[in-house]
Amino acid sequence: GAVVSQHPSWVICKSGTSVKIECRSLDFQATTMFWYRQFPKQSLMLMATSNEGSKATYEQGVEKDKFLINHASLTLSTLTVTSAHPEDSSFYICSARLAGGGHNEQFFGPGTRLTVL
Amino acid sequence: DAKTTQPTSMDCAEGRAANLPCNHSTISGNEYVYWYRQIHSQGPQYIIHGLKNNETNEMASLIITEDRKSSTLILPHATLRDTAVYYCIVRVEGTASKLTFGTGTRLQVTL
Repeated sequence: GAVVSQHPSWVICKSGTSVKIECRSLDFQATTMFWYRQFPKQSLMLMATSNEGSKATYEQGVEKDKFLINHASLTLSTLTVTSAHPEDSSFYICSARLAGGGHNEQFFGPGTRLTVL
Repeated sequence: DAKTTQPTSMDCAEGRAANLPCNHSTISGNEYVYWYRQIHSQGPQYIIHGLKNNETNEMASLIITEDRKSSTLILPHATLRDTAVYYCIVRVEGTASKLTFGTGTRLQVTL
Protein backbone atom coordinates (compact mmCIF):
# COMPACT_ATOMS: atom_id res chain seq x y z
CA GLY A 1 0.00 0.00 0.00
CA ALA A 2 0.87 3.67 -0.14
CA VAL A 3 3.44 4.77 2.41
CA VAL A 4 3.74 8.12 4.12
CA SER A 5 6.78 9.00 6.17
CA GLN A 6 7.42 11.77 8.66
CA HIS A 7 10.68 13.23 9.84
CA PRO A 8 11.70 13.52 12.54
CA SER A 9 9.78 10.92 14.52
CA TRP A 10 10.40 12.92 17.66
CA VAL A 11 11.98 16.24 18.52
CA ILE A 12 12.77 18.14 21.70
CA CYS A 13 13.38 21.85 21.45
CA LYS A 14 13.71 24.92 23.62
CA SER A 15 10.92 27.40 23.99
CA GLY A 16 11.09 30.12 21.35
CA THR A 17 12.76 28.05 18.67
CA SER A 18 11.19 26.88 15.42
CA VAL A 19 10.76 23.28 14.42
CA LYS A 20 10.18 21.87 10.95
CA ILE A 21 8.39 18.57 10.38
CA GLU A 22 8.46 16.85 7.00
CA CYS A 23 5.76 14.66 5.52
CA ARG A 24 6.57 12.61 2.44
CA SER A 25 4.53 10.31 0.26
CA LEU A 26 7.07 7.68 -0.68
CA ASP A 27 5.50 5.80 -3.55
CA PHE A 28 2.67 7.98 -4.78
CA GLN A 29 1.85 11.55 -5.63
CA ALA A 30 -0.28 13.50 -3.22
CA THR A 31 -2.11 16.56 -4.42
CA THR A 32 -3.48 17.13 -0.94
CA MET A 33 -1.91 16.59 2.46
CA PHE A 34 -3.47 17.11 5.85
CA TRP A 35 -1.90 18.04 9.16
CA TYR A 36 -3.37 16.89 12.45
CA ARG A 37 -2.46 17.48 16.06
CA GLN A 38 -3.19 15.09 18.90
CA PHE A 39 -2.81 15.89 22.58
CA PRO A 40 -2.45 13.05 25.11
CA LYS A 41 -5.58 10.93 25.49
CA GLN A 42 -7.43 13.07 22.96
CA SER A 43 -8.52 12.52 19.40
CA LEU A 44 -6.87 13.85 16.27
CA MET A 45 -7.73 17.43 15.42
CA LEU A 46 -7.33 18.63 11.87
CA MET A 47 -5.12 21.69 11.71
CA ALA A 48 -4.89 22.43 8.01
CA THR A 49 -5.31 21.13 4.51
CA SER A 50 -2.39 21.59 2.19
CA ASN A 51 -2.68 21.57 -1.58
CA GLU A 52 0.37 21.35 -3.78
CA GLY A 53 1.32 24.71 -5.20
CA SER A 54 -1.23 26.76 -3.27
CA LYS A 55 -1.76 28.18 0.18
CA ALA A 56 -2.91 25.90 2.93
CA THR A 57 -6.41 26.10 4.34
CA TYR A 58 -6.39 26.33 8.13
CA GLU A 59 -9.11 25.13 10.46
CA GLN A 60 -10.77 27.61 12.74
CA GLY A 61 -8.62 28.49 15.72
CA VAL A 62 -5.32 27.42 14.13
CA GLU A 63 -2.86 30.29 13.74
CA LYS A 64 -1.51 30.29 10.20
CA ASP A 65 1.44 32.50 11.13
CA LYS A 66 2.49 30.10 13.85
CA PHE A 67 2.03 26.88 11.93
CA LEU A 68 3.60 27.46 8.53
CA ILE A 69 2.77 24.89 5.90
CA ASN A 70 4.58 24.47 2.62
CA HIS A 71 3.54 21.94 -0.01
CA ALA A 72 6.09 22.58 -2.72
CA SER A 73 5.92 19.24 -4.49
CA LEU A 74 3.56 16.33 -4.96
CA THR A 75 5.50 14.23 -2.47
CA LEU A 76 6.50 16.67 0.26
CA SER A 77 4.72 18.93 2.71
CA THR A 78 6.35 20.63 5.67
CA LEU A 79 4.91 22.02 8.86
CA THR A 80 6.99 24.58 10.72
CA VAL A 81 6.03 25.40 14.27
CA THR A 82 7.40 28.88 14.78
CA SER A 83 8.43 30.22 18.18
CA ALA A 84 7.36 27.00 19.83
CA HIS A 85 6.13 27.04 23.41
CA PRO A 86 5.41 24.22 25.86
CA GLU A 87 1.71 24.28 24.98
CA ASP A 88 2.66 23.33 21.42
CA SER A 89 3.99 20.01 22.69
CA SER A 90 1.90 17.42 20.94
CA PHE A 91 1.82 14.54 18.48
CA TYR A 92 1.71 15.89 14.94
CA ILE A 93 0.41 13.57 12.24
CA CYS A 94 0.19 14.12 8.51
CA SER A 95 -1.82 12.31 5.91
CA ALA A 96 -1.60 12.31 2.16
CA ARG A 97 -4.37 11.92 -0.35
CA LEU A 98 -3.60 9.81 -3.35
CA ALA A 99 -4.19 11.83 -6.49
CA GLY A 100 -7.25 10.40 -8.21
CA GLY A 101 -7.48 7.73 -5.56
CA GLY A 102 -10.42 5.69 -4.40
CA HIS A 103 -12.29 5.74 -1.13
CA ASN A 104 -9.39 4.81 1.12
CA GLU A 105 -7.22 7.36 -0.50
CA GLN A 106 -5.96 9.08 2.63
CA PHE A 107 -2.82 7.52 4.09
CA PHE A 108 -1.34 8.55 7.42
CA GLY A 109 2.23 9.06 8.49
CA PRO A 110 3.61 7.60 11.73
CA GLY A 111 3.52 10.93 13.54
CA THR A 112 6.07 13.29 15.08
CA ARG A 113 6.17 13.84 18.80
CA LEU A 114 7.18 17.40 19.64
CA THR A 115 8.27 18.31 23.13
CA VAL A 116 8.96 21.95 23.87
CA LEU A 117 10.91 22.62 27.04
CA ASP B 1 -20.50 15.40 8.07
CA ALA B 2 -22.75 13.39 10.40
CA LYS B 3 -21.74 12.96 14.01
CA THR B 4 -20.99 9.50 15.35
CA THR B 5 -21.34 8.01 18.82
CA GLN B 6 -19.15 5.17 20.04
CA PRO B 7 -18.61 3.54 23.42
CA THR B 8 -15.55 4.90 25.18
CA SER B 9 -13.94 1.53 25.74
CA MET B 10 -14.39 -2.20 25.28
CA ASP B 11 -12.57 -5.35 26.26
CA CYS B 12 -12.23 -8.52 24.22
CA ALA B 13 -10.53 -11.83 24.89
CA GLU B 14 -7.86 -12.85 22.43
CA GLY B 15 -9.22 -15.18 19.76
CA ARG B 16 -12.78 -14.02 20.21
CA ALA B 17 -14.68 -11.71 17.89
CA ALA B 18 -14.62 -8.02 18.74
CA ASN B 19 -17.82 -6.19 17.82
CA LEU B 20 -17.48 -2.42 17.89
CA PRO B 21 -20.71 -0.46 17.52
CA CYS B 22 -21.21 3.00 16.09
CA ASN B 23 -24.32 5.14 15.98
CA HIS B 24 -24.75 7.65 13.17
CA SER B 25 -28.44 8.42 13.27
CA THR B 26 -28.12 11.64 11.26
CA ILE B 27 -26.23 10.11 8.38
CA SER B 28 -27.16 11.39 4.94
CA GLY B 29 -27.84 9.26 1.92
CA ASN B 30 -24.55 10.12 0.27
CA GLU B 31 -22.36 9.64 3.34
CA TYR B 32 -20.13 6.64 3.72
CA VAL B 33 -19.14 4.93 6.97
CA TYR B 34 -15.38 4.64 7.46
CA TRP B 35 -13.42 2.87 10.15
CA TYR B 36 -9.87 3.70 11.12
CA ARG B 37 -7.81 2.56 14.06
CA GLN B 38 -4.86 4.06 15.87
CA ILE B 39 -2.40 1.93 17.73
CA HIS B 40 -0.67 3.79 20.53
CA SER B 41 1.74 6.49 19.32
CA GLN B 42 1.19 5.67 15.65
CA GLY B 43 -0.74 7.26 12.82
CA PRO B 44 -4.26 6.06 12.04
CA GLN B 45 -4.72 3.05 9.81
CA TYR B 46 -7.60 2.59 7.39
CA ILE B 47 -9.67 -0.54 8.07
CA ILE B 48 -12.80 -0.59 5.96
CA HIS B 49 -15.62 1.54 4.61
CA GLY B 50 -19.14 1.07 3.27
CA LEU B 51 -22.25 2.86 2.07
CA LYS B 52 -25.16 0.52 2.74
CA ASN B 53 -24.09 -3.01 1.96
CA ASN B 54 -22.10 -5.13 4.38
CA GLU B 55 -18.42 -5.22 3.55
CA THR B 56 -15.58 -7.61 4.36
CA ASN B 57 -11.87 -7.47 3.79
CA GLU B 58 -8.81 -9.15 5.20
CA MET B 59 -8.92 -7.06 8.34
CA ALA B 60 -12.57 -6.85 9.32
CA SER B 61 -16.24 -6.93 8.44
CA LEU B 62 -18.57 -3.95 8.45
CA ILE B 63 -22.25 -4.48 9.13
CA ILE B 64 -24.51 -1.50 8.37
CA THR B 65 -28.13 -1.58 9.47
CA GLU B 66 -30.81 -1.27 6.85
CA ASP B 67 -31.75 2.24 7.97
CA ARG B 68 -28.03 3.10 8.02
CA LYS B 69 -28.33 4.71 11.42
CA SER B 70 -25.78 2.42 12.98
CA SER B 71 -23.01 0.04 12.08
CA THR B 72 -20.76 -2.57 13.66
CA LEU B 73 -17.14 -3.28 12.96
CA ILE B 74 -16.27 -6.90 13.51
CA LEU B 75 -12.77 -8.20 14.08
CA PRO B 76 -13.41 -11.94 13.75
CA HIS B 77 -10.47 -13.22 15.78
CA ALA B 78 -9.00 -10.45 17.88
CA THR B 79 -5.31 -10.58 18.77
CA LEU B 80 -3.27 -8.53 21.20
CA ARG B 81 -2.03 -6.47 18.26
CA ASP B 82 -5.60 -5.30 17.65
CA THR B 83 -5.49 -3.28 20.87
CA ALA B 84 -6.06 0.27 19.63
CA VAL B 85 -8.50 3.14 19.45
CA TYR B 86 -11.08 2.54 16.74
CA TYR B 87 -12.69 5.50 15.02
CA CYS B 88 -15.98 5.42 13.17
CA ILE B 89 -16.29 8.33 10.74
CA VAL B 90 -19.03 9.23 8.32
CA ARG B 91 -18.38 11.54 5.42
CA VAL B 92 -19.33 12.38 1.90
CA GLU B 93 -16.94 11.03 -0.64
CA GLY B 94 -15.63 14.01 -2.52
CA THR B 95 -12.71 16.22 -3.27
CA ALA B 96 -12.55 17.69 0.25
CA SER B 97 -11.75 14.31 1.77
CA LYS B 98 -11.69 15.67 5.29
CA LEU B 99 -11.75 13.13 8.08
CA THR B 100 -13.26 14.34 11.33
CA PHE B 101 -12.17 12.11 14.19
CA GLY B 102 -14.39 11.67 17.22
CA THR B 103 -13.27 10.16 20.50
CA GLY B 104 -13.37 6.58 19.23
CA THR B 105 -13.53 3.30 21.16
CA ARG B 106 -10.49 2.09 23.01
CA LEU B 107 -10.40 -1.68 22.45
CA GLN B 108 -8.30 -3.67 24.87
CA VAL B 109 -7.63 -7.26 23.82
CA THR B 110 -6.62 -9.45 26.72
CA LEU B 111 -5.19 -12.93 27.13
